[in-house]
This record gives sequence, structure tokens and C-alpha cells, in this order.
Amino acid sequence: DVKVTQSSRYLVKRTGEKVFLECVQDMDHENMFWYRQDPGLGLRLIYFSYDVKMKEKGDIPEGYSVSREKKERFSLILESASTNQTSMYLCASAEAGGSTDTQYFGPGTRLTVL
Amino acid sequence: GEDVEQSLFLSVREGDSSVINCTYTDSSSTYLYWYKQEPGAGLQLLTYIFSNMDMKQDQRLTVLLNKKDKHLSLRIADTQTGDSAIYFCAEQTGANNLFFGTGTRLTVIP
Repeated sequence: DVKVTQSSRYLVKRTGEKVFLECVQDMDHENMFWYRQDPGLGLRLIYFSYDVKMKEKGDIPEGYSVSREKKERFSLILESASTNQTSMYLCASAEAGGSTDTQYFGPGTRLTVL
Repeated sequence: GEDVEQSLFLSVREGDSSVINCTYTDSSSTYLYWYKQEPGAGLQLLTYIFSNMDMKQDQRLTVLLNKKDKHLSLRIADTQTGDSAIYFCAEQTGANNLFFGTGTRLTVIP
């Protein structure tokens, strides 16, 4: 079974803090994704990565950056957290060129910025 | 851009069938997915359908795709309280382009 883990289930940070959200997958997938989920808005793609050290902006990259130094790990960074970044953050991974490119999701990190 | 729409809420009685609907706008979609999210959990892939199919059945789940109308539905037979969750449909238009609907919160009434 594919396993995607995220470093924290719940996180509380203060405005202006630098925040790191970590995601690890154990299936040697090339593609990894970060989404945020807000009520009534569904999931929105922040960034994705299709290889180590490669990244692409998604629909809402502003205020975020990412890092992919190793294939299994994809980090989402909030350089200076703001209250409007309070959200549920979901990481996903997918095999490139697979039969469906199906994305497998982690359990999510609920971030609250005070 | 792509737009995937779902109703926000659905309530059914235990034992009845649930039908969750989804419409999308991009006719170049390759796969369409249904994900389930239980409270406090991430998204769990339930099922998917390739865009050249019109129906897929998997135990209690039936997916119907009307490509002409760009309409996707998920039918859950004999709905149980454990089916209470948020259901997301998602449309894939390329290797890395997955667009999600807003999610439908299914409440199963005992």
C-alpha cells in the first residue's frame, strides 16, 4: 500500500513565524503535491514537484515555497505565516507515467495561525 | 479555467441509496475520481473512471459518466453510517492537473 505521511496532524503558529510542513512517501513516486483545503473551496493546488529539485507553481503559490531535496520528501514552507494561511494542508504523491497517475493523499496537517 | 461543481450537502437514511453528483467543464479530461474524506483524515481514493467509459461498478459503488453533459455521479447502495464523510470528485486533464470539486458532505441518518 502507498503510504504518505505528514509530519504533524495539528500545528499552531503565530503570525510572522516561519513554518515547515513535511511530507514523506514510501513508494518511490516521482510526483508530489501540496494542496490546501478550505470549506466551500475544495482543494487548491499550491505547488507540485515532478522530480528532485524541480518544482512548479500551482493555482495559489503566493506566500508559500517548497523544497524537494530527496525524492521521498516534499516540504512546504510558509516564510512568514499569516492568519489567512490557517487551513488544512494535504500532501499527495503519484507515479509519473503510471496507468492513472492517481494521487495518494496523506492525512493532512491542520494549521492554525494566530 | 477548469470548474468542478458539487452540491455541498446530502442527507440520506441508513439503508437507502445515495447519489452524489458532479459536473465539470473540461472536455479533455482523462480520468475522473471520487475521493472520500472522513473527519480529521486525509483523502482516500474510492474509485476512478476513465473518460471513455460510461459506467464502473465496484461493490456498493457505481460511477456513472455522461461525457456529453460532463456529468459524473457516485451512487452508494445500502448507505451505512460509516459512509458519512465528505466526497470529492476530481477531474484529471493531464499528468499533473487534478481539479477538485468543493466536496459534498454526506450525512447518513440512522
